[in-house]
Amino acid sequence: AQTVTQSQPEMSVQEAETVTLSCTYDTSESDYYLFWYKQPPSRQMILVIRQEAYKQQNATENRFSVNFQKAAKSFSLKISDSQLGDAAMYFCAYRGRYNYGGSQGNLIFGKGTKLSVKP
Amino acid sequence: DGGITQSPKYLFRKEGQNVTLSCEQNLNHDAMYWYRQDPGQGLRLIYYSQIVNDFQKGDIAEGYSVSREKKESFPLTVTSAQKNPTAFYLCASSPPVSHQGAAYSNQPQHFGDGTRLSIL
Repeated sequence: AQTVTQSQPEMSVQEAETVTLSCTYDTSESDYYLFWYKQPPSRQMILVIRQEAYKQQNATENRFSVNFQKAAKSFSLKISDSQLGDAAMYFCAYRGRYNYGGSQGNLIFGKGTKLSVKP
Repeated sequence: DGGITQSPKYLFRKEGQNVTLSCEQNLNHDAMYWYRQDPGQGLRLIYYSQIVNDFQKGDIAEGYSVSREKKESFPLTVTSAQKNPTAFYLCASSPPVSHQGAAYSNQPQHFGDGTRLSIL
């Protein structure tokens, strides 16, 4: 079965600085998708960025970028020029591209990292 | 605008009572999901449905039931058998997941704003 691990329960960053949130996963599949979701205090889940495992290039969305290391099964999120509005829980999630192992294409989430931004 | 509506925002349950959480979407998505969120636990899948009139148990289905009579609606009932129902519940939907033999989409799940359920 696939698992997702976020080893940092809490992180803190100074406003305008850069922070990296780590995520590792375990899978026997070779083709899959990875996602980062943000959950601010309002509790709404918002997609931040996605990565297809078959793509070599790391995904980027404005101030958010990922460092995808397929061999190491690592998928970290870098937030540049941190803003107060970035304060939230961040969840890493995995989805297999095919239904190997009966995953049914469901998302598997890590336990989250709580990010605080200091003014 | 299309989206997912969960209601109510807050819900209280008495001992021995069943309660139903509503989830409606107008995104024309085939797949819908229910998650439970507890502090420090992340999101855990309760039930999911990939098509109308069909649904599957997730990782923590015991004490819960669902129905999927319409594409737009996927209500979750928390039964009296669920001994620890206090949690935050999130509903999600996504475009068609897959047909047999085809690849799953890279489209993300879209989430509602959640329902906070507490015990009286």
